Amino acid sequence: GENVEQHPSTLSVQEGDSAVIKCTYSDSASNYFPWYKQELGKRPQLIIDIRSNVGEKKDQRIAVTLNKTAKHFSLHITETQPEDSAVYFCAKMDSNYQLIWGAGTKLIIKP
Amino acid sequence: DSGVTQTPKHLITATGQRVTLRCSPRSGDLSVYWYQQSLDQGLQFLIQYYNGEERAKGNILERFSAQQFPDLHSELNLSSLELGDSALYFCASSLSGRAQETQYFGPGTRLLVL
Repeated sequence: GENVEQHPSTLSVQEGDSAVIKCTYSDSASNYFPWYKQELGKRPQLIIDIRSNVGEKKDQRIAVTLNKTAKHFSLHITETQPEDSAVYFCAKMDSNYQLIWGAGTKLIIKP
Repeated sequence: DSGVTQTPKHLITATGQRVTLRCSPRSGDLSVYWYQQSLDQGLQFLIQYYNGEERAKGNILERFSAQQFPDLHSELNLSSLELGDSALYFCASSLSGRAQETQYFGPGTRLLVL
């Protein structure tokens, strides 16, 4: 069935450096790809999303890139800060408008 | 604050018992989703409702059931509870559930089965 592979499962970066999280999918019909951030014990919150008619979207220090041909999309966080420490989930929307979720990446920002 | 509310925040119960979790969607949202998140795990989709009707089912156990009421709030019923049902249960809502739209999550209910 459809699934989303997310890598890495844990990412540790020095404060101020960049972090990149990658997701790959198998179904070519996907057109909507959101990214959620979940701080410890809290609810997932949408941080950025991208639709298939664009290849890149930026919002301040966060960007998402989409390669529909290769069926992968990535989250880029620049100038990382301690408050970026969280679990990040990628997802894709299937043809029934259901979100298929990645397994999550725990991002650790080292001071 | 997403506008999605869930009660209770915490629930402690014993194996074999039954509990009900409640969710109120954002104002104007017609679609409600339920997710289970076990410790350090991902989000497992359980079930979706739209305007009172079940729209999609995920990995929901037969011991679990849900419904959406005319005022659009939803309840998730968990019965014959087992230790492994201990988890965070999230409710999310979206406008229609039939478009490329954002799902907004509630704060979750933390269930502990002893």
